[in-house]
Amino acid sequence: DAKTTQPTSMDCAEGRAANLPCNHSTISGNEYVYWYRQIHSQGPQYIIHGLKNNETNEMASLIITEDRKSSTLILPHATLRDTAVYYCIVRVESGGGADGLTFGKGTHLIIQP
Amino acid sequence: NAGVTQTPKFRVLKTGQSMTLLCAQDMNHEYMYWYRQDPGMGLRLIHYSVGEGTTAKGEVPDGYNVSRLKKQNFLLGLESAAPSQTSVYFCASRFITRAPGANVLTFGAGSRLTVL
Repeated sequence: DAKTTQPTSMDCAEGRAANLPCNHSTISGNEYVYWYRQIHSQGPQYIIHGLKNNETNEMASLIITEDRKSSTLILPHATLRDTAVYYCIVRVESGGGADGLTFGKGTHLIIQP
Repeated sequence: NAGVTQTPKFRVLKTGQSMTLLCAQDMNHEYMYWYRQDPGMGLRLIHYSVGEGTTAKGEVPDGYNVSRLKKQNFLLGLESAAPSQTSVYFCASRFITRAPGANVLTFGAGSRLTVL
């Protein structure tokens, strides 16, 4: 799986959009980008995933650059409850994958009141 | 629909004691996983299972054993606990699928284990 690079921490004001970047310059054509988050002391929670098109769901939007070497997770109107560690993971979708996901250290997003 | 349930939530052991963590899921998922998370670290995969009666080693399997006798349950055992196994343990599960979204895991709330 391709390696990802994320900032260690970020701040965002409550009510503003939180934009979390992720670099995955070695991503290959069949690898998807997944985002999870982990609120303090809880299990990780799936947010969104995508291949090359931008994706949106009720939680967030995922913007993937045209060359697929980086992506941005957008929380449109951040609340205090969005304070968490956010993990960007790149993973082959088909074939293998039974052996789980690799979680790095992620980005600690702190929403400021 | 409870999702993934882990028991116990907290446990304190003495060095050398044994214990079993239970993970139960009610989503009919085929794949199940055990991770550990140490302070300030990401999650590391201990063992996983692709179906009833099958298990496989992950990144950090030493000192742990697992069993999957029923599809809905995945047990993690520590035969002789060591202080280095003090950690928070997370169980996760997912469907077998080659479709997009195959790697959407559902996690439990975690089990915090302290070994003295």
